[in-house]
Amino acid sequence: EAGVAQSPRYKIIEKRQSVAFWCNPISGHATLYWYQQILGQGPKLLIQFQNNGVVDDSQLPKDRFSAERLKGVDSTLKIQPAKLEDSAVYLCASSLRRSGGWVYGYTFGSGTRLTVV
Amino acid sequence: AQSVTQPDIHITVSEGASLELRCNYSYGATPYLFWYVQSPGQGLQLLLKYFSGDTLVQGIKGFEAEFKRSQSSFNLRKPSVHWSDAAEYFCAVGAGGGADGLTFGKGTHLIIQP
Repeated sequence: EAGVAQSPRYKIIEKRQSVAFWCNPISGHATLYWYQQILGQGPKLLIQFQNNGVVDDSQLPKDRFSAERLKGVDSTLKIQPAKLEDSAVYLCASSLRRSGGWVYGYTFGSGTRLTVV
Repeated sequence: AQSVTQPDIHITVSEGASLELRCNYSYGATPYLFWYVQSPGQGLQLLLKYFSGDTLVQGIKGFEAEFKRSQSSFNLRKPSVHWSDAAEYFCAVGAGGGADGLTFGKGTHLIIQP
């Protein structure tokens, strides 16, 4: 099966500019996640969607970050305006939700590497 | 809130030697535990996971991990490492229920000496 698709692979922008990342999850996966991985650290969850609804966005800096999953399939993460500290790899993941216990098929994409200069 | 500690930032092992990467977690209930590997410029690949049952878990690429509730640990082991095992290794814990986001440790960078 096809994996989690993300684009672009790399992006360089100046501070205060805006940027958007796209993610297409594995077909049939109802749950989609965005993680931020700063160099030298583990990934940190930014937001979790269940279909087109937000389950958890407690760690999303909402003054500058936004995300949507309008049709419950692909998703876009936006940063506006970007700061130097936003330089990171942005990983998208998806999973197949099940009732009770853990989810199935938790799969990460290759990520988008953002450099803010 | 859950947390994960990986005490070793870097570990150097000779090729063919055994490996143990340490992971300690903090979580109030029974955790869902994971080990991922990340090669440079690549995404995260799942090595193994623990949900319940047998506390010794077998994974891909010859890795195994043991869940020890009394020590809040989930250490990753491999009896004989290969040069291709050089990578960043992340331990993670999941809370389950409606929110399935993973909490990751900071990672351990594994270096393989010839």
